[in-house]
Amino acid sequence: EPEVTQTPSHQVTQMGQEVILRCVPISNHLYFYWYRQILGQKVEFLVSFYNNEISEKSEIFDDQFSVERPDGSNFTLKIRSTKLEDSAMYFCASSLTGKNTEAFFGQGTRLTVV
Amino acid sequence: QQQVKQSPQSLIVQKGGISIINCAYENTAFDYFPWYQQFPGKGPALLIAIRPDVSEKKEGRFTISFNKSAKQFSLHIMDSQPGDSATYFCAASRGGFNKFYFGSGTKLNVKP
Repeated sequence: EPEVTQTPSHQVTQMGQEVILRCVPISNHLYFYWYRQILGQKVEFLVSFYNNEISEKSEIFDDQFSVERPDGSNFTLKIRSTKLEDSAMYFCASSLTGKNTEAFFGQGTRLTVV
Repeated sequence: QQQVKQSPQSLIVQKGGISIINCAYENTAFDYFPWYQQFPGKGPALLIAIRPDVSEKKEGRFTISFNKSAKQFSLHIMDSQPGDSATYFCAASRGGFNKFYFGSGTKLNVKP
């Protein structure tokens, strides 16, 4: 069964450092997303991406965040200068179409900022 | 503003019992309501979803009941099994691009 894969599974970084979280969406999917879940809190939408551009972003997704699809298979989330409050589980997701269809989530990358 | 409220936070059910998880939403523009199941160390996986033009949807032991006027929807798990022990999230979205507003999650523990 096709799945969304994320690397690394756990990333520890120092405050102020840049991190790149990587995702390989399902191959024929066209819509890509990043969500995050701070420990003990709900899953929150960060950004959606379609046709090589951001289609929607939340207020969390400020100038410190960026997304990229550098090639035909990877989808990355970059945090330029990490803060302690960026510590969370980051989930990548993808879907075949963009409207009210199943979004497939990866297993997540746990980011710990120290 | 909390778009989707979920209760209870945790639930313990005996094997064979019925598990019921409730969600309430605020935005009447929401038009898609999925339930996601998450096992430890895994990402959320779609369990069942409903659109507001129907009041109930059943898939195997899982049923969503939807009350549009009350802006509430619930997940019923019949004949609950220990393998159902997981965290369940309700969610809602509107329009395009699968921007989901998730509930806070319910940790279900089904006792053998």
